[in-house]
Amino acid sequence: LAKTTQPISMDSYEGQEVNITCSHNNIATNDYITWYQQFPSQGPRFIIQGYKTKVTNEVASLFIPADRKSSTLSLPRVSLSDTAVYYCLVGDGRYSSASKIIFGSGTRLSIRP
Amino acid sequence: DAGVTQSPTHLIKTRGQQVTLRCSPKSGHDTVSWYQQALGQGPQFIFQYYEEEERQRGNFPDRFSGHQFPNYSSELNVNALLLGDSALYLCASSAMTGTGSYEQYFGPGTRLTVT
Repeated sequence: LAKTTQPISMDSYEGQEVNITCSHNNIATNDYITWYQQFPSQGPRFIIQGYKTKVTNEVASLFIPADRKSSTLSLPRVSLSDTAVYYCLVGDGRYSSASKIIFGSGTRLSIRP
Repeated sequence: DAGVTQSPTHLIKTRGQQVTLRCSPKSGHDTVSWYQQALGQGPQFIFQYYEEEERQRGNFPDRFSGHQFPNYSSELNVNALLLGDSALYLCASSAMTGTGSYEQYFGPGTRLTVT
């Protein structure tokens, strides 16, 4: 099972760009990389998912190098409301493999004024 | 679209009792997964239901069981509650995307406290 390693915590300031890197050295060929955001006492919220290179949506970008052994979630111009725990997950993108999706302990991001 | 809903929001039970948690998936989703999240930890996969059958299971004892109904809603049952079962229980629904990957949408969770 692909395990992920993320920083336990990060601090930044409003208006800055924040990059959170996740290591997944034993990622498998069929694995996708997914990031979730979670606020206290709420369920995780899907942010972005990718397989290779770069993916961008309205809230974030995901950068994946050619070897796919790491990935970087980029949050542009963060605000106080981006303070949350961010989880990097690696798992088989096939529909039938939910049990192989493992949440780590996540990165606690704190944004200051 | 109401998204994934769970009930109740909070629950307090005594050791040895049994509890049932409920989940309604996002419209159009036919698969429901349950997770347990202890304080300060990431969610841990319990099991997944599809077409009213348990399709996959994580490393949880048989005290944890579930059910999925024809309308895709689901229940999580926990018997013989232990203090260690105190956690946030999350329900997630999903459906396959056109690319073969899938996105899970989580509900707000049920906070279970066992005393």
